Amino acid sequence: SAVISQKPSRDICQRGTSLTIQCQVDSQVTMMFWYRQQPGQSLTLIATANQGSEATYESGFVIDKFPISRPNLTFSTLTVSNMSPEDSSIYLCSVDPGGSEAFFGQGTRLTVV
Amino acid sequence: AQSVSQHNHHVILSEAASLELGCNYSYGGTVNLFWYVQYPGQHLQLLLKYFSGDPLVKGIKGFEAEFIKSKFSFNLRKPSVQWSDTAEYFCAVSRDGGYNKLIFGAGTRLAVHP
Repeated sequence: SAVISQKPSRDICQRGTSLTIQCQVDSQVTMMFWYRQQPGQSLTLIATANQGSEATYESGFVIDKFPISRPNLTFSTLTVSNMSPEDSSIYLCSVDPGGSEAFFGQGTRLTVV
Repeated sequence: AQSVSQHNHHVILSEAASLELGCNYSYGGTVNLFWYVQYPGQHLQLLLKYFSGDPLVKGIKGFEAEFIKSKFSFNLRKPSVQWSDTAEYFCAVSRDGGYNKLIFGAGTRLAVHP
């Protein structure tokens, strides 16, 4: 299993600013995954973060908008840059340490005003 | 492209009623299928999963799901729901035969009244 801590749990931000979301896992994992859940919609994978290499982004997501850091095997950050109201979502971090089940953090609820 | 469809967005049941939540996916190859649950104020938790073998899989808290390959379906069932089953339920399929990089359905909000 894995225990994932995300910070902040929620934030209200002004448009045009950036927010960095932290994800801390209680065990070492090769890959960490970032998802977004827009209001009333499903979870969508943003990117996969591997330690020691550039993150891999899914279609529709770019590094300039969502830069990701992965400095070690237990930590990652996702930055939402130059925010607009359309970025208001829940952002979730996920890992699958045993290769058999994905575990999720509680998410960061972001509201952009 | 792969996709997952959940037929019911909101379901309201009384305690002891039976539950069936529909899930259909579109993908022609080998799939791994999941149901996740999110209780109010909590994180997503795995309810059950199907990788191969017996198409009827049992999960936690009395839930089960049946994989019907010919129908591209993976419906979730519980014979008798409880108030504590009030939650949002997500069907998901893995994109690469693994356990992450999941494609999720839109979710079904279940409210169980005492």
